[in-house]
Amino acid sequence: GNSVTQMEGPVTLSEEAFLTINCTYTATGYPSLFWYVQYPGEGLQLLLKATKADDKGSNKGFEATYRKETTSFHLEKGSVQVSDSAVYFCALSHPPGNTGKLIFGQGTTLQVKP
Amino acid sequence: GAGVSQSPRYKVAKRGQDVALRCDPISGHVSLFWYQQALGQGPEFLTYFQNEAQLDKSGLPSDRFFAERPEGSVSTLKIQRTQQEDSAVYLCASSLGLFGSEQYFGPGTRLTVT
Repeated sequence: GNSVTQMEGPVTLSEEAFLTINCTYTATGYPSLFWYVQYPGEGLQLLLKATKADDKGSNKGFEATYRKETTSFHLEKGSVQVSDSAVYFCALSHPPGNTGKLIFGQGTTLQVKP
Repeated sequence: GAGVSQSPRYKVAKRGQDVALRCDPISGHVSLFWYQQALGQGPEFLTYFQNEAQLDKSGLPSDRFFAERPEGSVSTLKIQRTQQEDSAVYLCASSLGLFGSEQYFGPGTRLTVT
């Protein structure tokens, strides 16, 4: 079945460090891929998405490229801030005939220290 | 504008009690999803509505779980005879219903079964 695997956390970085959170998926065909973020005390928010191979999603300095050949969608940011501290979830949504339901990874906690 | 709201935010139930969790989606959103998030895990799909029709209930863990959306707007997730393993955060999300459209999540209801 379809699944998403993320690197385990927590990930602890100093401010302005480079961030990578690995995400790989298992799915037939061509799923859409997403990164969601959950800030402390808040609900899940869409961070970025990509709907086809080689697409790059980007938002708030974060980027992820849909790599069909490696079934990956790694999240990167060049310089993290304390305000980026949150839990990050990789997810997929798979056609056809799909309701749009999301399949999530287990989440990766990021802590950025000043 | 108003986002997705859920009530109650916290619910403590004794084992064996019935509970009802409410979701108010964004006005005009056709699709509504329920997810269950166990501590330290990613959300897992429970059920999906398109307007008032429940098109996918494949994620409901047992027949103790029941969801409805009678007028295609507000939805209620009901859990009968709660068990300790039902303790989790229950998330509601809504979307416009077009494939690939963003799901907007509510803050969740944290259910603790004692």
